[in-house]
Amino acid sequence: KAGVTQTPRYLIKTRGQQVTLSCSPISGHRSVSWYQQTPGQGLQFLFEYFSETQRNKGNFPGRFSGRQFSNSRSEMNVSTLELGDSALYLCASSLPGTGDGSPLHFGNGTRLTVT
Amino acid sequence: EDQVTQSPEALRLQEGESSSLNCSYTVSGLRGLFWYRQDPGKGPEFLFTLYSAGEEKEKERLKATLTKKESFLHITAPKPEDSATYLCAVLRNQFYFGTGTSLTVIP
Repeated sequence: KAGVTQTPRYLIKTRGQQVTLSCSPISGHRSVSWYQQTPGQGLQFLFEYFSETQRNKGNFPGRFSGRQFSNSRSEMNVSTLELGDSALYLCASSLPGTGDGSPLHFGNGTRLTVT
Repeated sequence: EDQVTQSPEALRLQEGESSSLNCSYTVSGLRGLFWYRQDPGKGPEFLFTLYSAGEEKEKERLKATLTKKESFLHITAPKPEDSATYLCAVLRNQFYFGTGTSLTVIP
């Protein structure tokens, strides 16, 4: 069974630009969550989607947005990039949804560098 | 405020030298505590879920335990391939992650 796939693996962008990251969950998984990982802060929750609806959102500015498609694939968008957005962005999927205690299964992330 | 704290931040062990990693939390309404392993350049890999105080789970050289306010990941006779960052996460309405313990096992 294929794992969670994230594309691209690496991105270099300039301040002020926008970026879109993509995530394909494990087949059959309907919940997709996004996390930002930085050395100082660890994993910070961005948002969770379940059946194309945003179910939960972390404390990030509105520049961070996402969506989920009918096939459960998800995209995350960051507009007006800032230097502080440089991080590893991780996507995770789970079978039913976050709240019921099922573990998250992570992809290998997209490394975003903002210059 | 919901908080997850892991200690130590970094740990160096000789091969075969057993030790424990700690994860303490102040999250109320815990719905599960999760341990993950993360290798450089990769996403976290799921290891264990613990749901109630007193519960224990084992996998090869790893054993996870849970009390009401903390969890321990015991590593028995570690090998160099156990070197990684170990993350714990607590689930309430969302997952709250600690910043991890970086483990290095020296041959």
